[in-house]
Amino acid sequence: DTGVSQNPRHKITKRGQNVTFRCDPISEHNRLYWYRQTLGQGPEFLTYFQNEAQLEKSRLLSDRFSAERPKGSFSTLEIQRTEQGDSAMYLCASSQLQASYNEQFFGPGTRLTVL
Amino acid sequence: DQQVKQNSPSLSVQEGRISILNCDYTNSMFDYFLWYKKYPAEGPTFLISISSIKDKNEDGRFTVFLNKSAKHLSLHIVPSQPGDSAVYFCAASSNSGNTPLVFGKGTRLSVIA
Repeated sequence: DTGVSQNPRHKITKRGQNVTFRCDPISEHNRLYWYRQTLGQGPEFLTYFQNEAQLEKSRLLSDRFSAERPKGSFSTLEIQRTEQGDSAMYLCASSQLQASYNEQFFGPGTRLTVL
Repeated sequence: DQQVKQNSPSLSVQEGRISILNCDYTNSMFDYFLWYKKYPAEGPTFLISISSIKDKNEDGRFTVFLNKSAKHLSLHIVPSQPGDSAVYFCAASSNSGNTPLVFGKGTRLSVIA
């Protein structure tokens, strides 16, 4: 399977703990995006990378959140000192930068539950 | 301020009939629009897209129409099948589709056999 993969698929943690999620994009896709989806809402943009450079961060991304894409391939999203409000589905997507109009392809997501 | 709006949270359609899902947007800088389909516990699956230089794009049973003056797009599914039952998200992007996507809240489609 050459789609976007995310690990773990589910994570349950206690408030105050740190968690880290991993995303492996489609091979040779140079753009990687993180979104968050809560119940009844559409996905909301968090941050994105072009190769290893982080190009934009949403105001939703508080200082407890950090994302990396060290070699321009996989990416990690870390949440420090988790809060119950962080409970959500975290989605990763990748795309190939073209001249224009590039679709984003999503992974299955990591569902985070903070107790 | 929601830039992409899907005003119908749910829609029920009989198998074989047409499903029409609507989406409105407010940001005139959007130039690329996409529809995604989502099943529970899965990530969104890309369905069909349209750029602002077109007013229609068709792929099999799926057609997307864009009305730029009204800032409105719609997804037509015909004929509808029970496997089409899912949540459908409208999304938009700008700068020739190179900015992060802005999503609507989704419409849950139920196709009844």
